[in-house]
Amino acid sequence: DVKVTQSSRYLVKRTGEKVFLECVQDMDHENMFWYRQDPGLGLRLIYFSYDVKMKEKGDIPEGYSVSREKKERFSLILESASTNQTSMYLCASSNSFDQPQHFGDGTRLSIL
Amino acid sequence: QKEVEQNSGPLSVPEGAIASLNCTYSDRGSQSFFWYRQYSGKSPELIMFIYSNGDKEDGRFTAQLNKASQYVSLLIRDSQPSDSATYLCAVKRGGGNKLTFGTGTQLKVEL
Repeated sequence: DVKVTQSSRYLVKRTGEKVFLECVQDMDHENMFWYRQDPGLGLRLIYFSYDVKMKEKGDIPEGYSVSREKKERFSLILESASTNQTSMYLCASSNSFDQPQHFGDGTRLSIL
Repeated sequence: QKEVEQNSGPLSVPEGAIASLNCTYSDRGSQSFFWYRQYSGKSPELIMFIYSNGDKEDGRFTAQLNKASQYVSLLIRDSQPSDSATYLCAVKRGGGNKLTFGTGTQLKVEL
């Protein structure tokens, strides 16, 4: 079974802080993704990566950056956290873009 | 028009009945279709995926794809209370590299 592990289930930070969300997958998947999920808006793609050090913007990249230094690890960075970044953040991985994505348990992030 | 549309529900069905969940999409170039189940407070888990027109069955679940009419459905036979969740439809354009998700349909299976 695919295992996607997110470092924290719940996280509380303050506005202006730099926040790091970590994600690790154990299936040697090429692709990794970061989404946020908000009521009524569904899942929205922030960034994705298709190889080590390769990344592309998703639909809502503003205020975020990512890092993929190793194949199994994909980090999401909130450069200067703001209250409108309070959300559920979900990491996913897939073997190819046509294959299903498998999700981690999510991180519920609150910015105060 | 949204790229992927689902009725938000809730869709209520009695235990043992067939639940039918529908999803329409706007991009005719879409090639890959996925159904996820998401329990409240949990992350999405994959139920099924389908690439070709027609039906695909897996246990109590059947995915139906009609590319000409641009819809994909999920049927759940013999619905159980444990099936109560939000079901997300996701679509990928051919040659693309992103999934577009619908906002989900909430299913309630009542005793």
